[in-house]
Amino acid sequence: EVQLVQSGTEVKKTGESLKISCKTSGFGFSHSWVGWVRQMPGKGLEWMGSVYPDDFPDDSDVRYNPSFQGQVTISADHSIRTAFLQWASLKASDSAMYYCAKWYGGNTGYFDYWGQGTLVTVSS
Amino acid sequence: QSVLTQPPSASGTPGQRVTISCSGDNSNIGSNTVNWYQQVPGTAPRCIIYRDDQRPSGVPDRFSGSKSGTTASLAISGLQSDDEADYFCAAWDDSLNGQVFGGGTKLTVL
Repeated sequence: EVQLVQSGTEVKKTGESLKISCKTSGFGFSHSWVGWVRQMPGKGLEWMGSVYPDDFPDDSDVRYNPSFQGQVTISADHSIRTAFLQWASLKASDSAMYYCAKWYGGNTGYFDYWGQGTLVTVSS
Repeated sequence: QSVLTQPPSASGTPGQRVTISCSGDNSNIGSNTVNWYQQVPGTAPRCIIYRDDQRPSGVPDRFSGSKSGTTASLAISGLQSDDEADYFCAAWDDSLNGQVFGGGTKLTVL
């Protein structure tokens, strides 16, 4: 059974750092794209970027939506089948629900399995 | 401002047929396939249509997708109360080299 289990709710202050996780099982993690999707309160879905872990850390590939490039870092550790999304310095505007999702297929593909979401709240 | 354009709301009565449109351009819908996601409030999205008109296993055949040019449509027939949700279209965008989404359509079953 394919599962993506995300880390829990986070409440942080502006300027703090944060790393949230997405632990996977039930599929070939090293050879699958896993994406991160942001949903701000009451708003739609935005693709932030995706990671392809591969078998070795140096061989992993990360693609970013230009809107999020430089604002977040996406990574993965294939040894623990986990993808990560991190911020070096949070802003109030980073308050949102964040979903990880497994991508199936190339550019004719789709997100076929989703995590349950991680709610991030940032306040001053 | 979302790359793909959807109406913000749609509604219908039980048993009716409802369609939701999704408009893009030649860098996304015009040259790539369209997916549709359903999001019940408080839950994660789930894919209900992929590659324009394909249904994942477990999705009722009341849901159907179509595409013409740079516009895609989701149709829901035999509307039921548990179809009440937000619906998002999505497509690969060649300029972005990633997935773009519509702003979402809130479906109300009256």
